[in-house]
Amino acid sequence: QVQLQQWGAGLLKPSETLSLSCAVYGGSFSGYYWSWIRQPPGEGLEWIGEITESGVTNYNPSHKSRLTISVDASKSQFSLKLSSVTAADTAVYYCARGYYDRSGYYYMDVWGNGTTVIVSS
Amino acid sequence: DIQLTQSPSFLSASVGDRVTITCRASQVISSYLAWYQQKPGKAPELLIYGATTLISGVPSRFSGSRSGTEFTLTISSLQPEDFATYYCQHLNSYPRTFGQGTRVEIK
Repeated sequence: QVQLQQWGAGLLKPSETLSLSCAVYGGSFSGYYWSWIRQPPGEGLEWIGEITESGVTNYNPSHKSRLTISVDASKSQFSLKLSSVTAADTAVYYCARGYYDRSGYYYMDVWGNGTTVIVSS
Repeated sequence: DIQLTQSPSFLSASVGDRVTITCRASQVISSYLAWYQQKPGKAPELLIYGATTLISGVPSRFSGSRSGTEFTLTISSLQPEDFATYYCQHLNSYPRTFGQGTRVEIK
């Protein structure tokens, strides 16, 4: 049973850098796309970006200038850094596993439990 | 960016009801669409991908269909555990945007 365990600082001040990590347990790290998604309080889901084992990244253009997603395949871990945060970055942040099936269809089938990040002065 | 518009945003239904949620894409996305269920305080769970393929373990009362750029999630007979918020997501290109969600509540 694959599990994603995520962690990181939950309270930030404006202009600081958000930093979260996600570790993969119980399954392979290769062959998947490792994603970050966030959900502001009372709102819907927003896809932030993803990374492969080899370090290929795809980012949401809305955040690209502030965003870095990195990977440490030797530890089966990947990380999210979002710089210059504001109150608008307050959200629950999820990590998730993405996969392309044989037909080429992609889906995110395993999710972390979420980390609440609050940005407040 | 491809926009996904879900309707309705909210629906109130009774146990046993047939429920239909629609997700309309702003561009052709073939069948690159997934549906997720999210309960309060929990991470989303994948229900359907490829517009129509049910994930193993998901009850057969859930089904998905596609007609052009309009996608539908149907719950044939609503059960108490189905009261949740449902999201569609396109996976055809970047960014992989979500619909705004449909909250299903007990009537």
